Formats: sequence, C-alpha cells, structure tokens
Amino acid sequence: NAGVMQNPRHLVRRRGQEARLRCSPMKGHSHVYWYRQLPEEGLKFMVYLQKENIIDESGMPKERFSAEFPKEGPSILRIQQVVRGDSAAYFCASSADYSNQPQHFGDGTRLSIL
Amino acid sequence: KNEVEQSPQNLTAQEGEFITINCSYSVGISALHWLQQHPGGGIVSLFMLSSGKKKHGRLIATINIQEKHSSLHITASHPRDSAVYICAVNFDRTAKLVFGAGTILRVKS
Repeated sequence: NAGVMQNPRHLVRRRGQEARLRCSPMKGHSHVYWYRQLPEEGLKFMVYLQKENIIDESGMPKERFSAEFPKEGPSILRIQQVVRGDSAAYFCASSADYSNQPQHFGDGTRLSIL
Repeated sequence: KNEVEQSPQNLTAQEGEFITINCSYSVGISALHWLQQHPGGGIVSLFMLSSGKKKHGRLIATINIQEKHSSLHITASHPRDSAVYICAVNFDRTAKLVFGAGTILRVKS
C-alpha cells in the first residue's frame, strides 16, 4: 500500500496521559499536514511540516500539542496530558510539493479520552 | 476573513438523479479541492482544480474564479455515492487547506 499510513486507527487514553499519533507519508512526499475533526464539526488545519522543519503551526493549540517530522521515520503528533476535549479524528495528509499538488489523506486516528 | 461556504448542508436524492453541491469562498485562491468522506472512514481526494472543469467517471467539478464559486455534480447517482462531500481551498500562497462544513449526501434506492 503506497498510500498515507496512519497508526493507530483507534487510540483510547485516560485524562492526563499522553497520545502519540503517527503518519507515514506517501513515497516521495516530503510535505505533511495534520488536520483535526472534532465531533460534529468540520476539518481544521493544525500544522504543516517538511522534513525536520515546522513550516506553519498556526492551527496548533498553544499548549500540550507538538508535532515533528524527523529526517528518518514517520511524522508524529504528540498530545500531552490529554483532556476530554481532545477526543477527535486526526487526519494526516501528504503532498509532493506545497502548491499545485493534491494532498493525499490517511484513514485517520480516532482518539477517545476516557 | 478566509471562509468557505457549502450548500446544501444535507441532500437526499433518489437513485439516478443528477446532484449538484455548491461551494463559494471569500477571497482569492490558488486551488480548490473536492473531497469525499464515508462515515467513520478516511478522506479521498476527488478533484483539485484552479480553473475550468474536470471530469472523472460520473463526477464533474467546475470552478468560476471570477465569481469565487465551484460546483460538484454527480450524474446518475447511486446509493454508493452516499457520503460527506467536502470543499476545501488553498487561499493564495498558503499550503494549508481551509474546509467547508461538508454536504451530507444520501442516495436512496
């Protein structure tokens, strides 16, 4: 499967724990985007990364959330000290370039906070 | 403010009907995307366009840059077309997507 791979598909955490969401972009893609879909709401941009660089994090909450895309390995979205309001579907997308190229989406990670 | 508006919010059609979903946006864009999302499922990119018209099977997407408006048409609709259809745009010189609220389409047999 050469598509965008996200894991896990479902993640359950208790309040106060940490959540780590992983995204492997399509082969040949060096641009990764994270989006969040809260229950009964539309998709919202969180962060845009290229290898080893955060390009745009204007949609990231100021506290507890961080993202990285290391030289080797998948992109990671990390949520520390999770709260009930973090329950959502988190989608990763990748593209070959930042403009004039479609973004290919993964199947998402459904995060549930108990 | 950079906004994307979709209509209708909900749409129910009989199998075989011609369907149109509309999208309008507030300021200049570099590209517009139509996406499909099945309940509990992932997101599939249907079209990316910056001008004119594109067709893939029974799906047609058009865009009018001057009027800041796009339409997604489905010909000969089928129950398997039931899904949420989402319009998203790249506002000028930005890589991130800004999304409409989505149109929930249900096609009855």
